[in-house]
Amino acid sequence: NAGVTQTPKFQVLKTGQSMTLQCAQDMNHNSMYWYRQDPGMGLRLIYYSASEGTTDKGEVPNGYNVSRLNKREFSLRLESAAPSQTSVYFCASSEGKYYGYTFGSGTRLTVV
Amino acid sequence: GQSLEQPSEVTAVEGAIVQINCTYQTSGFYGLSWYQQHDGGAPTFLSYNALDGLEETGRFSSFLSRSDSYGYLLLQELQMKDSASYFCAVRDPSGLGGNTGKLIFGQGTTLQVKP
Repeated sequence: NAGVTQTPKFQVLKTGQSMTLQCAQDMNHNSMYWYRQDPGMGLRLIYYSASEGTTDKGEVPNGYNVSRLNKREFSLRLESAAPSQTSVYFCASSEGKYYGYTFGSGTRLTVV
Repeated sequence: GQSLEQPSEVTAVEGAIVQINCTYQTSGFYGLSWYQQHDGGAPTFLSYNALDGLEETGRFSSFLSRSDSYGYLLLQELQMKDSASYFCAVRDPSGLGGNTGKLIFGQGTTLQVKP
């Protein structure tokens, strides 16, 4: 099925553990994004990649790193998880600046 | 900086019409988008307005007035399945003059449709 695939869908981490959230799209989109969504706060941009080989920080990058592995894949890494990183994480891609985003189904992360 | 304001909740009756407003402040404007998100689901793209006026897509319409920094999403013939959160979004003008495609989202309006 065409779209954006995120793994895992659910994850529980202990404080200080690390993990990588995976995202892949098969629509040949140039741009990819990682957002987090917290209750009452909408969607906030963590990192983005305007094109293969480039990444840049968004509004809330602290505690995260990203890798644009190739045109299809854009991963988000938490090096040392903190309870404040408990959130729902969405990966998205777009064909260009005039087109809407296609979102993945999300990763629900709890840090205890 | 950039900011968007939209009501936190709206309630309407099945079959009715509802309007969800969005006002924005941004240093550079590249269009207003709308997304729908059902509870527990992912946001899905509804519409994009770059120019003033009304864009219609089935039961949903979106309006933009750039001079007023204002837009709205109009939902007609409401159905129970329209109960969801609706987000307006503008392009972040920082970094390459808005060419990165980064979006700034409002905090969302929860629409409850009652029978």
